[in-house]
Amino acid sequence: GQQVMQIPQYQHVQEGEDFTTYCNSSTTLSNIQWYKQRPGGHPVFLIQLVKSGEVKKQKRLTFQFGEAKKNSSLHITATQTTDVGTYFCAGPTPGSARQLTFGSGTQLTVLP
Amino acid sequence: DTEVTQTPKHLVMGMTNKKSLKCEQHMGHRAMYWYKQKAKKPPELMFVYSYEKLSINESVPSRFSPECPNSSLLNLHLHALQPEDSALYLCASRRLAGEISETQYFGPGTRLLVL
Repeated sequence: GQQVMQIPQYQHVQEGEDFTTYCNSSTTLSNIQWYKQRPGGHPVFLIQLVKSGEVKKQKRLTFQFGEAKKNSSLHITATQTTDVGTYFCAGPTPGSARQLTFGSGTQLTVLP
Repeated sequence: DTEVTQTPKHLVMGMTNKKSLKCEQHMGHRAMYWYKQKAKKPPELMFVYSYEKLSINESVPSRFSPECPNSSLLNLHLHALQPEDSALYLCASRRLAGEISETQYFGPGTRLLVL
């Protein structure tokens, strides 16, 4: 079945440093979504990428969708303590667009 | 209104208890989901309802029984749970527009502890 892997699993950064998490799917994705889950919270939708090679920005966050639509990345510039949380990518489950297959997640800690 | 609400926020129950989790959305979404999430893991799909009908059951044990009374409400009935069922239970909803994969909106979850 489809696998969606994320690396790294954990990342500690000093406040002000940059951070990147990478998402790789075993199958081609029609789109990819990114969610953020704060400690003790629930997943919150960040963005959806649909087109091959697409790049979208939200303030300090930059999202990319690979040309082959099998990988994606989230880059945060100059991290802040408010960026703490776990970042999940998710793609449609093959054969069922109503289901999402979540990546394993990257847990970000920002040290003040 | 892009809110999904869940009650209760926290629940402690014994292995012989019967309890129910509730989820509500008023966004007109016609797909609703139950997920189970263990600490430091991604959400794990349990059930999907489409147009108030159960469309996906991911081989969930029968001690979990979902119910969708109407298009805004989703319940999860719990009976004879095991300690390993302790987790965060998340409800999500999504607008159905053909087969286009669209955003899922998550509720805050119910933190369940089974003693």
